[in-house]
Amino acid sequence: DQQVKQNSPSLSVQEGRISILNCDYTNSMFDYFLWYKKYPAEGPTFLISISSIKDKNEDGRFTVFLNKSAKHLSLHIVPSQPGDSAVYFCAAFDDKIIFGKGTRLHILP
Amino acid sequence: DTEVTQTPKHLVMGMTNKKSLKCEQHMGHRAMYWYKQKAKKPPELMFVYSYEKLSINESVPSRFSPECPNSSLLNLHLHALQPEDSALYLCASSPTGGISYEQYFGPGTRLTVT
Repeated sequence: DQQVKQNSPSLSVQEGRISILNCDYTNSMFDYFLWYKKYPAEGPTFLISISSIKDKNEDGRFTVFLNKSAKHLSLHIVPSQPGDSAVYFCAAFDDKIIFGKGTRLHILP
Repeated sequence: DTEVTQTPKHLVMGMTNKKSLKCEQHMGHRAMYWYKQKAKKPPELMFVYSYEKLSINESVPSRFSPECPNSSLLNLHLHALQPEDSALYLCASSPTGGISYEQYFGPGTRLTVT
């Protein structure tokens, strides 16, 4: 049974608009939640994290929101740029990283 | 040098072959990892080395044999694999010993078992 779920396999967003990627989890004991970004033929790259005791973390154009009561987190990218087109993995960390299946983000010109 | 390199990029092997995957990092990282990623699935942890010692084996079949000859190098020796072992094998490292959530991944070796 998947502990980290990304229910949208893909998402298309106009350049300059906000991209919102969503993720749900089942285990309330996770210490950190993460987003990794992956381009084709490259390994995943760490993007941003949030501690389970926080509800928001911001880094430049990227903001992650955590709603513990709903066991839900989201990644906001604003404004979206062409280079943001990639697969985004949501992940949770306890004693190891557990990845979701990923959401492919397409930024449209 | 701020990257993790993996060789080869692609590997095709028969079920009776013995081959090895190689991973290298020169960032002084003290933990290294092997992951397996099947198509349309997330990466799944296989092994963790911390300070060159195997600290985690996620119940991986013995036909996969990891080795950490030194702090910069991680190998995965393959023997008698099955077609279902075909996957992308990712190596990662992290600065501190012990598992960290901030991991640096290599580009992977795409393995096909025929």
